[in-house]
Amino acid sequence: QSVLTQPPSVSGAPGQRVTISCTGSRSNIGAGYDVHWYQQLPGTAPKLLIYGNSNRPSGVPDRFSASKSGTSASLAISGLQAEDEAEYYCQSYDSSLSGFYVFGTGTKVTVL
Amino acid sequence: QVQLVQSGAEVKRPGASVKISCKASEYTFTNYYRHWVRQAPGQGLEWMGIINPSAGSSSYSQKFQGRVTMTRDTSTSTVYMELSSLRSEDTAVYYCVRDSENYGMDVWGQGTTVTVSS
Repeated sequence: QSVLTQPPSVSGAPGQRVTISCTGSRSNIGAGYDVHWYQQLPGTAPKLLIYGNSNRPSGVPDRFSASKSGTSASLAISGLQAEDEAEYYCQSYDSSLSGFYVFGTGTKVTVL
Repeated sequence: QVQLVQSGAEVKRPGASVKISCKASEYTFTNYYRHWVRQAPGQGLEWMGIINPSAGSSSYSQKFQGRVTMTRDTSTSTVYMELSSLRSEDTAVYYCVRDSENYGMDVWGQGTTVTVSS
């Protein structure tokens, strides 16, 4: 099972701002390892959305932003659009025996 | 643009093995580690392991230790993932993913569906 916990779902109306939390522990996020975020549109492979805690790859709109603090991280989507309806996953590295790279449980974003 | 092209869908019986390939379009094949990540139907992403295409060394999630083997062929820029002793719970889409170190998992293959059914 995932060692990074996310809310199962969040929703918002078009134009609103939503946030997704990613709660870890001292063996992953709290140990200083980077957090990355991925967006998975229905029926497609995941896509890198945020790398290195808060950086957007080329082509990712600036309404996506992220941060990290302590043992948690968060992703914010401002100006929510219909095309943002997708599953979002956080990912980090874990130094415990559970195995190196870990993903969050995933959050479904619904645009109302 | 870098692409990872995976082999096609597989249907296997319980107890069998499956071997999936992932061919990279980049010429710097050995510069980037590759992960294998799977996703069971309606479930989240699960990390399976990682291979260093240059050295051929690999590390696996404890969950798959003893059942998974990751290899590479540098002459064809291809990595492989073999999973043995398949059971129904291994039914999933398997992704090959490029690791860019501090830049995350930046290139994903299209996924290979493996169905395990008697």
